[in-house]
Amino acid sequence: GAGVSQSPSNKVTEKGKDVELRCDPISGHTALYWYRQRLGQGLEFLIYFQGNSAPDKSGLPSDRFSAERTGESVSTLTIQRTQQEDSAVYLCASSLDGGRVYNEQFFGPGTRLTVL
Amino acid sequence: DAKTTQPNSMESNEEEPVHLPCNHSTISGTDYIHWYRQLPSQGPEYVIHGLTSNVNNRMASLAIAEDRKSSTLILHRATLRDAAVYYCILLNNAGNMLTFGGGTRLMVKP
Repeated sequence: GAGVSQSPSNKVTEKGKDVELRCDPISGHTALYWYRQRLGQGLEFLIYFQGNSAPDKSGLPSDRFSAERTGESVSTLTIQRTQQEDSAVYLCASSLDGGRVYNEQFFGPGTRLTVL
Repeated sequence: DAKTTQPNSMESNEEEPVHLPCNHSTISGTDYIHWYRQLPSQGPEYVIHGLTSNVNNRMASLAIAEDRKSSTLILHRATLRDAAVYYCILLNNAGNMLTFGGGTRLMVKP
């Protein structure tokens, strides 16, 4: 079956521009996560959705970052006024139920964002 | 937060077993031990998880110490495709977000 998909796969933008990153989770997965991974580093949690609600936004690094999810499906991560330190791979994951700690998370291939 | 400690890197020969250790001496009773791996240029991939008992699945085995302060991921026969960074993570119901540290970079030699 289809896994988690993300688009675009690569995005190059100029400093100060806004970008939108899209995630299509596995159908039926109620939980959706956004992470950031800088080059050569581990994962950094950004935000978590259970259904269309975001009970945990603690990882968003600044008010330039926002995310939404609609129809308990697609999610969009928006970065406004991008800065060079925003350059990273943005990974999306989904799981069957975010309330169950033993549910594995399925990751998409990521969007590589480069801010010039 | 309970933290994990893993060696930075390990080497293995193809077709041989690999034992990847993880120390988590401050683990709490409700923490599950999860392992994920990340192949080059790919998103992370779930490997296995456990709470107290040893676990086996088609990818690997997880051996958990009796005091739960350490665990070992066992790949029974390493293949070239198993070359990846392996992350040991503790999760509980207070938050399911994954936070990866440095992990162990496994290199498999033909």
